[in-house]
Amino acid sequence: GEQVEQLPSILRVQEGSSASINCTYENSASNYFPWYKQEPGENPKLIIDIRSNMERKQTQGLIVLLDKKAKRFSLHITDTQPGDSAMYFCAASEGKNMGYKLTFGTGTSLLVDP
Amino acid sequence: AQTIHQWPVAEIKAVGSPLSLGCTIKGKSSPNLYWYWQATGGTLQQLFYSITVGQVESVVQLNLSASRPKDDQFILSTEKLLLSHSGFYLCAWSLPGENTLYFGEGSRLIVV
Repeated sequence: GEQVEQLPSILRVQEGSSASINCTYENSASNYFPWYKQEPGENPKLIIDIRSNMERKQTQGLIVLLDKKAKRFSLHITDTQPGDSAMYFCAASEGKNMGYKLTFGTGTSLLVDP
Repeated sequence: AQTIHQWPVAEIKAVGSPLSLGCTIKGKSSPNLYWYWQATGGTLQQLFYSITVGQVESVVQLNLSASRPKDDQFILSTEKLLLSHSGFYLCAWSLPGENTLYFGEGSRLIVV
């Protein structure tokens, strides 16, 4: 099966700075990479995703990069705000209709200091 | 619009007692359905998935079982709870042919 490593486990930044979270995966067949944000006591919410036919995707202050050769993908939050403080999970999945093979990373706790 | 409802929101149960958690999806026909478990501060561990009514696949054995009695309903249960069953149980759905998951609000379980 797939293994997803996520670093760092804890990230603390100043408001207005950028934050970066990195994930690596093992299965070269993986082709779908979502990112979820989970606030305390709540369910995870999809914030951005990227498929293997892209190297970069950007939406509303979020950038994801995918390096298929290195089997690495990353989330970059630009101009962080206190509301960005949460747990972030990366995940990887292979193939179409393979949601049942979505493997999550171990999570990053992001704290944005005002 | 699709809605996903999980019940109960939270439960405190005794070791050895039975458990039943439910999930209902409205607004989508024949979705793929999933159960995930999350320990406090932990990652999301997939437990079961179902592509169609009556068919459930187990991903991890945790002395739990799942059933899909209706197209829009997914049930997680056990006859005897263990302390290790404590955590946050999340139901999720995806469209057939897609792998984007959308999570329900979750059911928090404390086993004492």
